Amino acid sequence: GAVVSQHPSRVICKSGTSVKIECRSLDFQATTMFWYRQFPKKSLMLMATSNEGSKATYEQGVEKDKFLINHASLTLSTLTVTSAHPEDSSFYICSARDLRSGGGGADTQYFGPGTRLTVL
Amino acid sequence: AQSVAQPEDQVNVAEGNPLTVKCTYSVSGNPYLFWYVQYPNRGLQFLLKYITGDNLVKGSYGFEAEFNKSQTSFHLKKPSALVSDSALYFCAALILTGGGNKLTFGTGTQLKVEL
Repeated sequence: GAVVSQHPSRVICKSGTSVKIECRSLDFQATTMFWYRQFPKKSLMLMATSNEGSKATYEQGVEKDKFLINHASLTLSTLTVTSAHPEDSSFYICSARDLRSGGGGADTQYFGPGTRLTVL
Repeated sequence: AQSVAQPEDQVNVAEGNPLTVKCTYSVSGNPYLFWYVQYPNRGLQFLLKYITGDNLVKGSYGFEAEFNKSQTSFHLKKPSALVSDSALYFCAALILTGGGNKLTFGTGTQLKVEL
């Protein structure tokens, strides 16, 4: 099966510091990964699409200078929350497209276990 | 606008009874539809998807979903619910855009299976 990991699973930091979250596809290569944010008892909000070897594509309203995304290899994408503030506290989830899982662009996204960020 | 709707915030069912979690969609062209399940403080787990072919799609853990084009629905079903099925369920549609393919999610349905 397709497995995606995230690290760390939980992080607490002080306001003003930066936090890096890693997303890895463990048993497949992913040219495209996605970063989502989920608020309590809410649906997932797509933040950005991470493309290997190129710049990320951010959704409207997401600050690209605040949420830095790097997709340096076919198995790793990172999200760095810069100068974090309490309002950035949330559950961040990544996913990776497994191109083996479908045709015509209907491949399946597999999700990581999420990272709980708490900014004090 | 293309969207996915889950009309029920919560569904309660007794263990052993059949369950249905509803989903309707509004997308352009042929719909690619997915169901995911989320347990507390965890990521989403893929259950099943519809691309084309048979309207009844079978997935993981005994779940299945029925694609109904005329009603634009993709309801998730299971013949006999288990307490361990209690979780948050998301329906999603793959939206094909010029900027790439993106999943758009419904608001989620909390399933509670009771003894």
